[in-house]
Amino acid sequence: DTAVSQTPKYLVTQMGNDKSIKCEQNLGHDTMYWYKQDSKKFLKIMFSYNNKELIINETVPNRFSPKSPDKAHLNLHINSLELGDSAVYFCASGGYYGYTFGSGTRLTVV
Amino acid sequence: AQTVTQSQPEMSVQEAETVTLSCTYDTSESDYYLFWYKQPPSRQMILVIRQEAYKQQNATENRFSVNFQKAAKSFSLKISDSQLGDAAMYFCASASYNQGGKLIFGQGTELSVKP
Repeated sequence: DTAVSQTPKYLVTQMGNDKSIKCEQNLGHDTMYWYKQDSKKFLKIMFSYNNKELIINETVPNRFSPKSPDKAHLNLHINSLELGDSAVYFCASGGYYGYTFGSGTRLTVV
Repeated sequence: AQTVTQSQPEMSVQEAETVTLSCTYDTSESDYYLFWYKQPPSRQMILVIRQEAYKQQNATENRFSVNFQKAAKSFSLKISDSQLGDAAMYFCASASYNQGGKLIFGQGTELSVKP
């Protein structure tokens, strides 16, 4: 029933580990996004995919790699996690006319 | 480049009263939307209201309305009859067709509601 679902909601991991966050939407949108919300609550786009094709990559470190197996899924894989990667990551789908966000994943790197 | 600025980091309102949150933006695009999102402590991003740049009429959603001044690039949110449940972080944001649909957010305004 959930329009945009992200898993997991919370992720605590050690520095240097590799982790993935999954996102799925059932709204039929062609475009999906990843946003990062930092400790000051500032939100900034990281990536967007349109029908499995990468269209926005906002100077994100290469350790972050999005993958879209189909237009309903956009996963985020992070290699060699660093303390500075601690943040809330939001998946969203839609377009410039409107967006639906997932509930966010709070990533804590210790 | 598009920018969105919220100059009020914190605001406070008495329950049942009216409060206005300010937002200014800058864009060279002609086809764009403006949004206000609410983020309560649950961290869910909830769309409050949106405005299409082509429409002159200000958008309204129940107790929420906007004052869209296109020439001044201003997009303020008015909350009437404030309720305790309105307490949250509010983000102003813009998105344009030519920018791949990416949302540009302001810094946010933390709204507290006093009983």
